[in-house]
Amino acid sequence: GAVVSQHPSRVICKSGTSVKIECRSLDFQATTMFWYRQFPKQSLMLMATSNEGSKATYEQGVEKDKFLINHASLTLSTLTVTSAHPEDSSFYICSASRDRQLFFGSGTQLSVL
Amino acid sequence: QKEVEQDPGPLSVPEGAIVSLNCTYSNSAFQYFMWYRQYSRKGPELLMYTYSSGNKEDGRFTAQVDKSSKYISLFIRDSQPSDSATYLCAMARAGSYQLTFGKGTKLSVIP
Repeated sequence: GAVVSQHPSRVICKSGTSVKIECRSLDFQATTMFWYRQFPKQSLMLMATSNEGSKATYEQGVEKDKFLINHASLTLSTLTVTSAHPEDSSFYICSASRDRQLFFGSGTQLSVL
Repeated sequence: QKEVEQDPGPLSVPEGAIVSLNCTYSNSAFQYFMWYRQYSRKGPELLMYTYSSGNKEDGRFTAQVDKSSKYISLFIRDSQPSDSATYLCAMARAGSYQLTFGKGTKLSVIP
């Protein structure tokens, strides 16, 4: 299957700081990438759809000014959590589409102190 | 009613057992059906992908789709301890990559 790389796998930060998470498609070009959030024992919740060269589309209830998404190339999308607060602590996962299938990164555990 | 319903379990079975995992859905617009396996604090791994009613087999895994009943299943034969994980069903509308996930079923295979 296709490979999607996500970094970092884990990050701990102080409240008020910003954190950037990278998602790369390693062996294919992805015009569309997706960002999900997952709380413990819960399913994945779509946050936003990232489109290369254009603005991301955010799901209802997701603050676009807080969760900045940049899809600058066909292989890289970034999610920046700005002014992070403890309630932003969660597991963030990206995915990229290829051949009608979605392939996921390994996830990033964000802990905001 | 949620679009996709999946029993969260947990489900515990002895090694070698046949495992049956199921999801029901309410939206007839869903045309693509997937099963993902997710280990703790890892990204989901695609196991099976189907788009038509019937069975699809891949090794020890069989995915079954019944569009008339809006019901999908994943069967795991000869289950192994390494199969212990959370299994997520996911669905998409035609022409869309946006997936709607079930809550996931946590499976434990006991040696």
